[in-house]
Amino acid sequence: DADVTQTPRNRITKTGKRIMLECSQTKGHDRMYWYRQDPGLGLRLIYYSFDVKDINKGEISDGYSVSRQAQAKFSLSLESAIPNQTALYFCATSDPSGGITGELFFGEGSRLTVL
Amino acid sequence: AQSVTQLGSHVSVSEGALVLLRCNYSSSVPPYLFWYVQYPNQGLQLLLKYTSAATLVKGINGFEAEFKKSETSFHLTKPSAHMSDAAEYFCAVSDPSGNTPLVFGKGTRLSVIA
Repeated sequence: DADVTQTPRNRITKTGKRIMLECSQTKGHDRMYWYRQDPGLGLRLIYYSFDVKDINKGEISDGYSVSRQAQAKFSLSLESAIPNQTALYFCATSDPSGGITGELFFGEGSRLTVL
Repeated sequence: AQSVTQLGSHVSVSEGALVLLRCNYSSSVPPYLFWYVQYPNQGLQLLLKYTSAATLVKGINGFEAEFKKSETSFHLTKPSAHMSDAAEYFCAVSDPSGNTPLVFGKGTRLSVIA
């Protein structure tokens, strides 16, 4: 089983719908992240959380919200999806206590299409 | 603020030829630098990382990168390309505090021609 699991892997939805992408990890890491990948734009940070009580906005947080339900779970919500939120979304974790700060461990991605 | 610039959104090489993917960084503090690879329909996986030890860093699958402070560069190389190297490659930067998330470049797609 993957250390970082994202569900759903693929989702097609309509404009205005609420959608939730879920991420769970078995790595025991405190830090979790949501990135968005668009062709030609690389990965851009949406939100990140350094522990269960910590939530921080990233570069492109508008239109998104997150919930850190437990150390192992970090969900991303689109309250009212719009077509330009069509993208590939990645969850990632990191653990600075291992001595290598910043290294990320990624899930396999959730492809979201908003019609 | 930190940033990385990857020169060339698409690089094409022949099988057996040298692979050179360019990355320049901007950072007000000594950076940590990373190269990640993304194979089709997969997540990103770490190729190699520089964390202020040796300036020449060796990674998986025969890749290596050299940190050059004077040039603010961290270019990725491989002496001989293989068909399986076809993927998208991302350079990323963070700072040694560990309190800022990785900042990624826009990526370079590598094609390998038989």
